[in-house]
Amino acid sequence: GNSVTQMEGPVTLSEEAFLTINCTYTATGYPSLFWYVQYPGEGLQLLLKATKADDKGSNKGFEATYRKETTSFHLEKGSVQVSDSAVYFCALLMDSNYQLIWGAGTKLIIKP
Amino acid sequence: KAGVTQTPRYLIKTRGQQVTLSCSPISGHRSVSWYQQTPGQGLQFLFEYFSETQRNKGNFPGRFSGRQFSNSRSEMNVSTLELGDSALYLCASSPGTSNSYEQYFGPGTRLTVT
Repeated sequence: GNSVTQMEGPVTLSEEAFLTINCTYTATGYPSLFWYVQYPGEGLQLLLKATKADDKGSNKGFEATYRKETTSFHLEKGSVQVSDSAVYFCALLMDSNYQLIWGAGTKLIIKP
Repeated sequence: KAGVTQTPRYLIKTRGQQVTLSCSPISGHRSVSWYQQTPGQGLQFLFEYFSETQRNKGNFPGRFSGRQFSNSRSEMNVSTLELGDSALYLCASSPGTSNSYEQYFGPGTRLTVT
């Protein structure tokens, strides 16, 4: 079946460090891929998306490129801030059933 | 546009009781999905409604049910509550069509079963 695998957390970085959170997927067909972020005590926010191979999603300094050849959608940011501390979820959606399939989430902690 | 709203935000119930949660989607969105979030199981899909019809269903027991009204508002019901039903229940709103299906989430309802 379809699935998403994320790197385990927590990931702890210093402010202004470079961030990568790995995400790989297994899917029959061509899913759309998403990154969502959940700040403490809040619901999920859509961070960025990509709907086809080689698409790059970007928002708030975060980027992720849909790599069909490696079935990956890694999240990157060049210089993280303390305010980026949150849990990040990678997800895929098959347009055949509109059901988001989630990774386990990666907790990111940024220290000043 | 107003975002997705969920009521109530917090609930405490006793085992064996039932509970109803409500979700109002973004205006114009016809799809509402429900998810359960727990520390142990992560995010799990419950079901999705589109234009008052259940279009998709996850692997939850029949105690979990839902419905959608003509104004796209949705309710989720859990009967005969168990301790393991304690979770954050998230509702997501989407246009729900093949070219517009990204989901926008509400703040969730935190259910505690004692």
